[in-house]
Amino acid sequence: GESVGLHLPTLSVQEGDNSIINCAYSNSASDYFIWYKQESGKGPQFIIDIRSNMDKRQGQRVTVLLNKTVKHLSLQIAATQPGDSAVYFCAENRWGFQKLVFGTGTRLLVSP
Amino acid sequence: DTGVSQDPRHKITKRGQNVTFRCDPISEHNRLYWYRQTLGQGPEFLTYFQNEAQLEKSRLLSDRFSAERPKGSFSTLEIQRTEQGDSAMYLCASSLLSQGGEQYFGPGTRLTVT
Repeated sequence: GESVGLHLPTLSVQEGDNSIINCAYSNSASDYFIWYKQESGKGPQFIIDIRSNMDKRQGQRVTVLLNKTVKHLSLQIAATQPGDSAVYFCAENRWGFQKLVFGTGTRLLVSP
Repeated sequence: DTGVSQDPRHKITKRGQNVTFRCDPISEHNRLYWYRQTLGQGPEFLTYFQNEAQLEKSRLLSDRFSAERPKGSFSTLEIQRTEQGDSAMYLCASSLLSQGGEQYFGPGTRLTVT
């Protein structure tokens, strides 16, 4: 299958560890942010989103933190599993604009 | 499976040939998007439709590219006179207007131009 992100930053963790993936976004006017997971040969899969009126949002095993002051977004994955191994992208969007602007991905490698 | 589907999954073509890809969005999703992704990069926006109207096109979408969504359901993306630089993964996504931004992606069509 296709290999996505051959030269991406890589985060290597052990199974059971917590993972933190960071993203710096570019547009201070962006007000909606999404984290996607992309496995090799597949399209991006929605993980979690957050609007700019929030600082934190939690899902199942995932938490997204938003710091608008420094235009920084992070994805925390609790108790990382081998199935979490993939490339993770953050994407930003601005009200009234439809396109998502994707950041540089991060490859997460989880060792058993 | 009620997700976004794309056809074909893989396409190999010779430079100069025309190719057409199809996307079937999630049923009742009124917005449909096309993105292009090259190795090592995140997806880049190409164009989007609300129902059958094409409302925005990126500058990446040269005049060799055309997209349609004739009945507001499935969409096609055609590339004429393909070039090697067109080799990429072409991703389709859909969303529901009332949902407020969450886009669901299909598996993509991998195009290789030789």
